[in-house]
This record gives sequence, structure tokens and C-alpha cells, in this order.
Amino acid sequence: RKEVEQDPGPFNVPEGATVAFNCTYSNSASQSFFWYRQDCRKEPKLLMSVYSSGNEDGRFTAQLNRASQYISLLIRDSKLSDSATYLCVVNVGPTGNQFYFGTGTSLTVIP
Amino acid sequence: DVKVTQSSRYLVKRTGEKVFLECVQDMDHENMFWYRQDPGLGLRLIYFSYDVKMKEKGDIPEGYSVSREKKERFSLILESASTNQTSMYLCASSHHLIRGDDGYTFGSGTRLTVV
Repeated sequence: RKEVEQDPGPFNVPEGATVAFNCTYSNSASQSFFWYRQDCRKEPKLLMSVYSSGNEDGRFTAQLNRASQYISLLIRDSKLSDSATYLCVVNVGPTGNQFYFGTGTSLTVIP
Repeated sequence: DVKVTQSSRYLVKRTGEKVFLECVQDMDHENMFWYRQDPGLGLRLIYFSYDVKMKEKGDIPEGYSVSREKKERFSLILESASTNQTSMYLCASSHHLIRGDDGYTFGSGTRLTVV
């Protein structure tokens, strides 16, 4: 079983729509959670961390459900510039060498 | 800003050649990583290092080796390049202990084609 699983999509949504991605993880000892964004032919970049209480950064909201072992990313009022692949990342331990990446969810925002 | 610099963006090599991919970071990170990324397979860890001269195999180390002689530099070596090593190679670094918003910082990637 994969450590981290994501729906690969693609998600094609109109501008202004709200879209949500989910990601499940298998290791209940996982400690840190992140969403990364990767543009075509570019490197992944940290979008936001995911905190236990949930957190928001502008139009982006991240939530963690430890009981069900999933994290989510909600994007409100989608912009064309949000088109990218979103990677779910889970860190299993306290040290920075136990990251597991999902394969990514592709989002295209359509005018 | 944390900078992770990979020496080449695009590289074309012949089958059987020895290939060196270089990565340098300037934030005194303890951990450094080499991944390859292929369509549909996501990021796969090749090797990582948590200290100078230390290395650990990742999920797909076969056909690769690494070198970390200095803290800021982590090199990936393809001993004898093969066509199935055509891929995007990504270097990353991180602190030893993950705190708060710490995550990985990636280099801009090297797209290697083996012909």
C-alpha cells in the first residue's frame, strides 16, 4: 500500500469555482503534513503546511483529519494561475528525511 | 530565500556514459535528497544524506551512487547511463528536524535524456 494516495484528476474547473482535493496517508504516526504546488516542467514548491486545527491562507484552506488519516486542500474563487499539480506530502517522523509524496492532482482552471 | 541550485537544466548523454549531477544548497541544511520524477509515478527517492559523508539508499538506488564530501554539496552519479534513466532529477534539502513550516526546498531540476 502506498504511503500517500491522491486522486490524480485531472480536475478541470471554471474560473471562480471552488475545488477540493483529498489525500489519504497510511501511517498513523505521521507528524507533519504539507501541500506543494508544481507548475509544468518546474520544481515542487511549498504551498502551505497543514495544521491539526486547520489553516487558511487567502483563498486556500488546508485541513487534517487524523482519525480518518486524510488531509484536504480547498481552493476558493479559482484563478487561471491556480492551474498546476498539487502534491500532498506527509512526514512520518520528527526528522526531515521521512517525507512521502503523493503522485499529485492536476488542476486546470478554464476561462 | 533558501537556494538549491542544480548545475544543469537540460542534459543529453549517451548510453554507457558516466553522468554527474551536482546540487548545492546555501542554507546549511543537514539533509539532502535526490529524487527522480516520471509521469504517473510521482517523485521517487533515489538516495539521501543526513550529514557529510553519510548516505542512505532510497527506494530506487540501483544504477546510481552519491557523494557528499561537503555539507552544501550532494552529487548524484549514474555509473553507466541507460535509456531507462531518462527522467527529471530533482535535488532537495531540509533541516534535520522539521519545525513548523519547514518542508523540503527543491532545486529547479535537471531533465536528463539518455540516447
